[in-house]
Amino acid sequence: ETGVTQTPRHLVMGMTNKKSLKCEQHLGHNAMYWYKQSAKKPLELMFVYNFKEQTENNSVPSRFSPECPNSSHLFLHLHTLQPEDSALYLCASSQELVSTDTQYFGPGTRLTVL
Amino acid sequence: QKEVEQDPGPLSVPEGAIVSLNCTYSNSAFQYFMWYRQYSRKGPELLMYTYSSGNKEDGRFTAQVDKSSKYISLFIRDSQPSDSATYLCAMSAGNAGNMLTFGGGTRLMVKP
Repeated sequence: ETGVTQTPRHLVMGMTNKKSLKCEQHLGHNAMYWYKQSAKKPLELMFVYNFKEQTENNSVPSRFSPECPNSSHLFLHLHTLQPEDSALYLCASSQELVSTDTQYFGPGTRLTVL
Repeated sequence: QKEVEQDPGPLSVPEGAIVSLNCTYSNSAFQYFMWYRQYSRKGPELLMYTYSSGNKEDGRFTAQVDKSSKYISLFIRDSQPSDSATYLCAMSAGNAGNMLTFGGGTRLMVKP
C-alpha cells in the first residue's frame, strides 16, 4: 500500500449506530487531517493532528470523535449521527504542519446516514 | 460572503481548448495558493502551488496569482479528456499551521 488509504470506502449507517472510519498513511508524515466534503460545499477542515496531538478542532459536533494512536493512523469515531452528516470524509497527511508542506489526500469514505 | 468563491460549473470544452479556471477570495492575509484536481471517487491531488503573486508554469498548466485583485487562475493548454475532473482552489495565510481554505470546486468536462 502506498500513499494514504481509507477504509471503508462506503458506509451506510442509521442514526443510532456507532461506526469508525480508518485512515492510514504510508508516507512517514507527522501531520494528519480529517475533512468533510459535502455536495456543493467547499472542503471543511474538521480536525488536525501533529505528532499524535490534536492541534485543531474546527467546532465539530461531539458526535464526531477523532483518535490518533500514532503518526500513521487516524480514526474518526461516529455515533448518533444526523442525515445532514452524510458526506465524503477525506483524510490527508503532510510531512509537517507548515504551509509549504503538501497535503496528500486519501480516496475518502462515502458516508450515508439514514 | 464565502471566504473563497469558485464557479461550480460545469464547464464543458472541446478537446484541445484552452481552459481558464478562477477563484476570488476576500482574506488579504492569504499568501499560499494551490490548485487541486479531484477525479470522481478519488481524493484531491495537488496540481500547482504558488507563493504570493506571479505566474508558475508546469507543462500544460499555468497558475497565476494577482493579490492586488484577490484573484487566482489556472490555465490548461491543449486540454485533454483526461483533464475532466473537479478543480479545487485552496489557499493559506501561512500563520496557522497548514490550514487550508478551499473553494467549492469547478467541474470541468473536456469532450473528445
